[in-house]
Amino acid sequence: QKEVEQDPGPLSVPEGAIVSLNCTYSNSAFQYFMWYRQYSRKGPELLMYTYSSGNKEDGRFTAQVDKSSKYISLFIRDSQPSDSATYLCAMSARGNYQLIWGAGTKLIIKP
Amino acid sequence: EADIYQTPRYLVIGTGKKITLECSQTMGHDKMYWYQQDPGMELHLIHYSYGVNSTEKGDLSSESTVSRIRTEHFPLTLESARPSHTSQYLCASSDPRPSEKLFFGSGTQLSVL
Repeated sequence: QKEVEQDPGPLSVPEGAIVSLNCTYSNSAFQYFMWYRQYSRKGPELLMYTYSSGNKEDGRFTAQVDKSSKYISLFIRDSQPSDSATYLCAMSARGNYQLIWGAGTKLIIKP
Repeated sequence: EADIYQTPRYLVIGTGKKITLECSQTMGHDKMYWYQQDPGMELHLIHYSYGVNSTEKGDLSSESTVSRIRTEHFPLTLESARPSHTSQYLCASSDPRPSEKLFFGSGTQLSVL
C-alpha cells in the first residue's frame, strides 16, 4: 500500500467553482505538507506549504491539514481556466528530508 | 522565481547511446535532486546530493549516475540508453531550511528507441 494516496482524476469543474483536492497518508510521522502544481510539460512548482496541523490561506488557495485523520486538502476558490493543471501533494517527516509524493490529481476548469 | 535549468528539453536517441542530462541552478542551493516521472505516477527520487562531492542513490533503482563537482551543476549520465529509460527526468534543488521546499526545472523528456 502506498504511503500517500491521491485520486488521479481527472476532476472537471466549471469556471468559478470551488475545488477540493485531497490526499490521505499512513505515516503519522509526517509533519511537513506541500502542494505542488504542474502544468503540462513543465516541472512542478510549489503552491502551498504547511507545517503540522491547521489551515493556511494564500489568495484563492487554502491548504488544510488534519493529522488526526491523516488527511490533507487544497481548496481553490473562484477557479479559473488557468488553474487547469495536475496538483501533487508531498510530505515529509521531521528529520527525514526526503519527500513522499502523491501521484497527482488532474484538474480541468471549463470556461 | 526559481532559476533552475535543464537541457535538453526533449531527447530522442537510439538504444546503446551514452547521454548526459544537464541541470544547473543559480540559487546557491546545496541540495539537489533527480526525479523520474512517468504519466499518472508519483515522482520517484533516483539521485540526490547534499553538496559538492556528495551523491546518493534515491529510492528508485536507476542505472544512471550523477556527479557534483560544482554547487550549481548536477548532471545525470546514462552510459547505455535502453527503451526502459524512456521517461521524464526532473531536476530540483531545495531551500536550505529543513522543509524540503523544492524548486524544479522544466524537465527532460527522454525517448529511447
